[in-house]
Amino acid sequence: DAKTTQPPSMDCAEGRAANLPCNHSTISGNEYVYWYRQIHSQGPQYIIHGLKNNETNEMASLIITEDRKSSTLILPHATLRDTAVYYCIVRAPYNNNDMRFGAGTRLTVKP
Amino acid sequence: DGGITQSPKYLFRKEGQNVTLSCEQNLNHDAMYWYRQDPGQGLRLIYYSQIVNDFQKGDIAEGYSVSREKKESFPLTVTSAQKNPTAFYLCASSMKRGLGGELFFGEGSRLTVL
Repeated sequence: DAKTTQPPSMDCAEGRAANLPCNHSTISGNEYVYWYRQIHSQGPQYIIHGLKNNETNEMASLIITEDRKSSTLILPHATLRDTAVYYCIVRAPYNNNDMRFGAGTRLTVKP
Repeated sequence: DGGITQSPKYLFRKEGQNVTLSCEQNLNHDAMYWYRQDPGQGLRLIYYSQIVNDFQKGDIAEGYSVSREKKESFPLTVTSAQKNPTAFYLCASSMKRGLGGELFFGEGSRLTVL
């Protein structure tokens, strides 16, 4: 069972922000939220992770609600190369064998 | 460059034949993993290994076998007992310990059984 729920697909205009939601209402206190993406026929790529504070890196921002039951991955200026399947995963620290990849959200960036 | 190398990228085999997929990493990672992905689906964990000479079954280990004789290598054998072996296979590695612990993936091997 994936511990997260994501919409199956989303579209975004090139140059606009892409906001990808994820629900994780059963998240435990010590579980982190991870985001990966998979471009067609390639291996998934790590994007970002967080516990309860908002996080930002060169790829994206992660916004986690105060109750930690949901989060949003933000790609600030989406490009055509951001078209991919995005996976939201929750897991406890030091427990990489519990990295559950559900079906994810297929983001299509359109010109 | 550091990374994970999977080979072959594409593989065709006849039904009933065993197939071995190679996975090599030069990231000095302790842990390695094998996942299976079917079209339109997420990834499912087959086997993982936290340390040399030790490995554990994942969610769908039946019909697969692995070995971990070297830190850098974690080959996967798809045996004839695997009822539906046609799939995209992904190998990953990570530090055994450490909060970051993100998985680094190879480019995958696509197996087609005819």
